[in-house]
Amino acid sequence: DAGVTQSPTHLIKTRGQQVTLRCSPISGHKSVSWYQQVLGQGPQFIFQYYEKEERGRGNFPDRFSARQFPNYSSELNVNALLLGDSALYLCASSSPFANEKLFFGSGTQLSVL
Amino acid sequence: AQKITQTQPGMFVQEKEAVTLDCTYDTSDQSYGLFWYKQPSSGEMIFLIYQGSYDEQNATEGRYSLNFQKARKSANLVISASQLGDSAMYFCAMREGNGGFKTIFGAGTRLFVKA
Repeated sequence: DAGVTQSPTHLIKTRGQQVTLRCSPISGHKSVSWYQQVLGQGPQFIFQYYEKEERGRGNFPDRFSARQFPNYSSELNVNALLLGDSALYLCASSSPFANEKLFFGSGTQLSVL
Repeated sequence: AQKITQTQPGMFVQEKEAVTLDCTYDTSDQSYGLFWYKQPSSGEMIFLIYQGSYDEQNATEGRYSLNFQKARKSANLVISASQLGDSAMYFCAMREGNGGFKTIFGAGTRLFVKA
């Protein structure tokens, strides 16, 4: 079975641009979470979606938005990019039948110049 | 507010010895889950072990065990018989309870295993 897949792997953008990151969860998982990980720090929670509804939001500005599609895949959008948005963006899927253990994708490395 | 604290930025251990990575947490929930994840230099996050707040026995998964002290709100990870491949970042995490899905992470501990 395929694990969590994220695309693209790497992305370079300039300040002020917009970016869309994509994530496909493990088959059967209805929950998707997004995390931002700045180099040398722990992952910071951005969003959690379950059954296409937002169930949790971290302390991020409104420039960050996300959605989940009927097939449970998800997109994270970031508008008006800032230098400080440069980070590894991790997507994770989970199941209530596995204690909500997170299964992570390999991440998207976003660099904002 | 929920919080995870890992006070050891870096730890060294000799190969084949045991090492304990510290984690304390803060929550007002009665039901919650505690996790440890490993992040090698390649970047992927790997689940290691889980402890539920109502579990009376400490969790074990192969060479990993979780020393759960609920009254002290600590959830230390013990790695026995360290291997060179254990060199990585280790993150303690907590899933909020009462139907919540949010999982928060600590700042991590970088473990170096010496040959």
